[in-house]
Amino acid sequence: DAKTTQPNSMESNEEEPVHLPCNHSTISGTDYIHWYRQLPSQGPEYVIHGLTSNVNNRMASLAIAEDRKSSTLILHRATLRDAAVYYCILRATMDSNYQLIWGAGTKLIIKP
Amino acid sequence: GAGVSQSPSNKVTEKGKDVELRCDPISGHTALYWYRQSLGQGLEFLIYFQGNSAPDKSGLPSDRFSAERTGGSVSTLTIQRTQQEDSAVYLCASSPILWGEQFFGPGTRLTVL
Repeated sequence: DAKTTQPNSMESNEEEPVHLPCNHSTISGTDYIHWYRQLPSQGPEYVIHGLTSNVNNRMASLAIAEDRKSSTLILHRATLRDAAVYYCILRATMDSNYQLIWGAGTKLIIKP
Repeated sequence: GAGVSQSPSNKVTEKGKDVELRCDPISGHTALYWYRQSLGQGLEFLIYFQGNSAPDKSGLPSDRFSAERTGGSVSTLTIQRTQQEDSAVYLCASSPILWGEQFFGPGTRLTVL
């Protein structure tokens, strides 16, 4: 079954780039990679998603390995407001239906 | 405009009672999703709707759980004969297209005593 693996937590200094890794070695060719984040006491919010090519938006960049077995969410310049749990998710096909497979998340701690 | 709303925000019930959780998606969003999040844990995907149809119900934890969506809008998640392990925050999200960017509601915190 498709699954994602993320470090439990990471620390970074404010105004420095952050690279959040995710392993998804069982990914199949049609599985999309999504990232969401959850700030304390709030519902998750969308960050970015991609299939094969690297993706950029106003929030972050997503770097996808050539074999697609791993990806990295890049926050270019972390601020204190970026402190959250970051979830790496696969939109996987199972029995002709789709399911969203959420990882356990990485708690990102930003140090001022 | 208005975001996704959920009601009630908190629900305390006794073991064995039935509960109904409501989700009002963003107007015009065709897809709707239900998740469960236990304390300190990640999200568990339960079910999704495309319009009023739920093609795959295998993510529901047991046959005590059911969900429906009417008019392509409001959805209810019903838990019958609640158990203590059902205690969690139940989150609803909607997206303009299926598997597009999801917008989450604030959740319903369910406590089963």
